[in-house]
Amino acid sequence: QKEVEQNSGPLSVPEGAIASLNCTYSDRGSQSFFWYRQYSGKSPELIMFIYSNGDKEDGRFTAQLNKASQYVSLLIRDSQPSDSATYLCAVKDTGGFKTIFGAGTRLFVKA
Amino acid sequence: EPEVTQTPSHQVTQMGQEVILRCVPISNHLYFYWYRQILGQKVEFLVSFYNNEISEKSEIFDDQFSVERPDGSNFTLKIRSTKLEDSAMYFCASSEEIGAGYTFGSGTRLTVV
Repeated sequence: QKEVEQNSGPLSVPEGAIASLNCTYSDRGSQSFFWYRQYSGKSPELIMFIYSNGDKEDGRFTAQLNKASQYVSLLIRDSQPSDSATYLCAVKDTGGFKTIFGAGTRLFVKA
Repeated sequence: EPEVTQTPSHQVTQMGQEVILRCVPISNHLYFYWYRQILGQKVEFLVSFYNNEISEKSEIFDDQFSVERPDGSNFTLKIRSTKLEDSAMYFCASSEEIGAGYTFGSGTRLTVV
């Protein structure tokens, strides 16, 4: 059973701080990795994807991938209260069509 | 920005009844998916659909479930003989390529009573 693991949190950071969210995955052959944001009662929204080892930056978001360690992270700089949500790590299954989601980390940004 | 449209937003049904959840994926996307999320739990895969056929299905997707793309735009999930444990949020999603990120619809909250 392929797994995507995340710390459920909640992670609480003050406004303006850096939030660091982490994820590990079991499928060593995985090539495609995603971060989704899900507000309470809403659908997941894609915020970042990363395919290669290293860092990928988009605005206040940086995704980091280390395939050797099977580890993906998301950094949110200058965190805002509007960033308060559940962040889902997701990994494309190498053996099929689906993407496997982690249970999510709840982030609270305190004003 | 293109979006995935799902209807209805909320469906209440009696146990044993059949429901059809509807989705209109983004027009130039080729891969379509149904996921569900039971309250407080993970987003879990049900089925993927490509080239007018099921490309992959999960263990959850048994004979109680079926999918169709009847007219080239709509993508439906039918749940026969609903059970209490089918109560969940059902999300339709589409992607342009295999391995690309998904665009999710806003979901249908199914409540089986």
